[in-house]
Amino acid sequence: QSALTQPPSVSGAPGQRVTISCTGSNSNIGAGYDVNWYQQLPGKAPKLLIYGNNNRPSGVPDRFSGSKSDTSASLAITGLQAEDEADYYCQSYDSSVSVLYIFGTGTKVIVL
Amino acid sequence: QLQLQESGSGLVKPSQTLSLTCAVSGGSIISGVYSWSWIRQPPGRGLEWIGYINHSGSTYYTSSLKSRVTISVDKSKNQFSLKLTSVTAADTAVYFCARVDVVTTIFDLWGQGNLVTVSS
Repeated sequence: QSALTQPPSVSGAPGQRVTISCTGSNSNIGAGYDVNWYQQLPGKAPKLLIYGNNNRPSGVPDRFSGSKSDTSASLAITGLQAEDEADYYCQSYDSSVSVLYIFGTGTKVIVL
Repeated sequence: QLQLQESGSGLVKPSQTLSLTCAVSGGSIISGVYSWSWIRQPPGRGLEWIGYINHSGSTYYTSSLKSRVTISVDKSKNQFSLKLTSVTAADTAVYFCARVDVVTTIFDLWGQGNLVTVSS
């Protein structure tokens, strides 16, 4: 597996809740490795949003939350705001010989 | 506050070598807690991890690029570098350097990115 699988885009109106899935395999998420999430604004570097499956770094609003189960993880955004429109990536460790750190395919959140 | 700053060629001809450097300021690159990675992002596409180097100089590369990639560190200059040989248009991307916590595998600090275009 060269990348974790995410939906290309999700959308929601301001104030709504959206979720982004991240599907892996038994060599990464399913092996028990933590999932981290990053937010990337246009033209910027990714920024850590969630670490260790469900922890928020200081300064990240509690509207963002993460979860993990079996070979998948999810990022939820509640109370969607216009400023949340960005690309989101999941990331984990992989025990296969082909790659050590694996990123998701990325999901664009569109605020309607 | 520790910061990362990429620098290097923005335009590389096909078959030539891409060279980038990541300068670490505000802290030492010599740390057993962190490793130093390169990640790239082709235009309009997702993130791809390229490889890392740790405090002892050990490296690990993604298998798809292993034959063409070299990551090295210059402790005296507090920087690490990326070389990618025999480039093609498919190597056109924004290249990021990042710090990675070796225990938690968190990419906690990123450079701003350096666009490299492969074109004749």
